[in-house]
Amino acid sequence: QQQVKQSPQSLIVQKGGISIINCAYENTAFDYFPWYQQFPGKGPALLIAIRPDVSEKKEGRFTISFNKSAKQFSLHIMDSQPGDSATYFCAATGSGGSNYKLTFGKGTLLTVNP
Amino acid sequence: EADIYQTPRYLVIGTGKKITLECSQTMGHDKMYWYQQDPGMELHLIHYSYGVNSTEKGDLSSESTVSRIRTEHFPLTLESARPSHTSQYLCASRMGGAGANVLTFGAGSRLTVL
Repeated sequence: QQQVKQSPQSLIVQKGGISIINCAYENTAFDYFPWYQQFPGKGPALLIAIRPDVSEKKEGRFTISFNKSAKQFSLHIMDSQPGDSATYFCAATGSGGSNYKLTFGKGTLLTVNP
Repeated sequence: EADIYQTPRYLVIGTGKKITLECSQTMGHDKMYWYQQDPGMELHLIHYSYGVNSTEKGDLSSESTVSRIRTEHFPLTLESARPSHTSQYLCASRMGGAGANVLTFGAGSRLTVL
């Protein structure tokens, strides 16, 4: 049973365009939703995260939109650049206590063409 | 600069060999994790530890074993490697406490079993 569904599996965008990656979750106990970025040969690194008490969080060109009622959240990359080409993972967890395990989506391979 | 180190970065071995993948972190984190990453990108939790002498199996069944004798060290061992163990193995850590949600990943160990 996959608790976090991510789409699309791959995405090609032209430089300057908007990249959008979507995720949906099932577990209503989830209350922390990070996005990780992974470059080839590297481990994933935290990019941006949101909690369900807000509907949007923006950091530079990266924005998370969160829809609690639909149990969906998405990553928007504005003015996409070739340096943004990487694999992106959404994730979710419940943060109560120390029983913390991230559930990851399957990943989206983003390619930004120059 | 990564504060979590994995060695070896790449390993090619024959079937039946015993291997140990090393993971060390210098951040004093209580919690440590091992993920297996498919060639298709998906991340699967195979082991985790909440502190010294604490280890648990993750969501994906694995023939590997782990130990946590020191806070900073979380090695993964395969007693008899098989081609099905070929994968990328990622180690991660985080601080203890419900509010400390950021996972820091190492660069990974890519294992190929012939």
